[in-house]
Amino acid sequence: KNQVEQSPQSLIILEGKNCTLQCNYTVSPFSNLRWYKQDTGRGPVSLTIMTFSENTKSNGRYTATLDADTKQSSLHITASQLSDSASYICVVSDRGSTLGRLYFGRGTQLTVWP
Amino acid sequence: EADIYQTPRYLVIGTGKKITLECSQTMGHDKMYWYQQDPGMELHLIHYSYGVNSTEKGDLSSESTVSRIRTEHFPLTLESARPSHTSQYLCASSDPVTANGNTIYFGEGSWLTVV
Repeated sequence: KNQVEQSPQSLIILEGKNCTLQCNYTVSPFSNLRWYKQDTGRGPVSLTIMTFSENTKSNGRYTATLDADTKQSSLHITASQLSDSASYICVVSDRGSTLGRLYFGRGTQLTVWP
Repeated sequence: EADIYQTPRYLVIGTGKKITLECSQTMGHDKMYWYQQDPGMELHLIHYSYGVNSTEKGDLSSESTVSRIRTEHFPLTLESARPSHTSQYLCASSDPVTANGNTIYFGEGSWLTVV
């Protein structure tokens, strides 16, 4: 069964600190992996997308890594800000259909305290 | 910022009422999607469309229906709302797939409460 598991479920850090969020998946055949940021009550916003051949991608203070062999990804946030408080969702796409079916994790709820 | 818009953002309706959630995008995307998301849970695909006059059911069974008469418009309708339909509904659209994948743009969501 294709699945996407994220950890931790929730995380609290102090402003200015770094943190790393984890994503493990079993989706096969793999096409790409995306990280989204979802503020409370809003729609998800794309942070990064990585294909099989990419193992790191940055977007400002956000850096995503991908290990396609172990089927693991991480999202590293540097110098956190209060505005980083949100749910971070890992999404994996397969290439077994024309739709490119998406498998969503439940997200990691990050809270940044001043 | 994504040019995809949903209305209403928040709605409380009584059981048995008919409701249509509107979704419009101005990016010219052929592919559009409706997802359902309960608090703290993952998104579930309930409907998708590859283009005008094309609609398909998603992974999660839903009593809602959709239509795609125009490229930019993808409304979702519940003929008779029930409390079990209380949830957040997210509309999305995507640009064409390339070797680097494609970007999926989400609307702000419609929070539906059925009492």
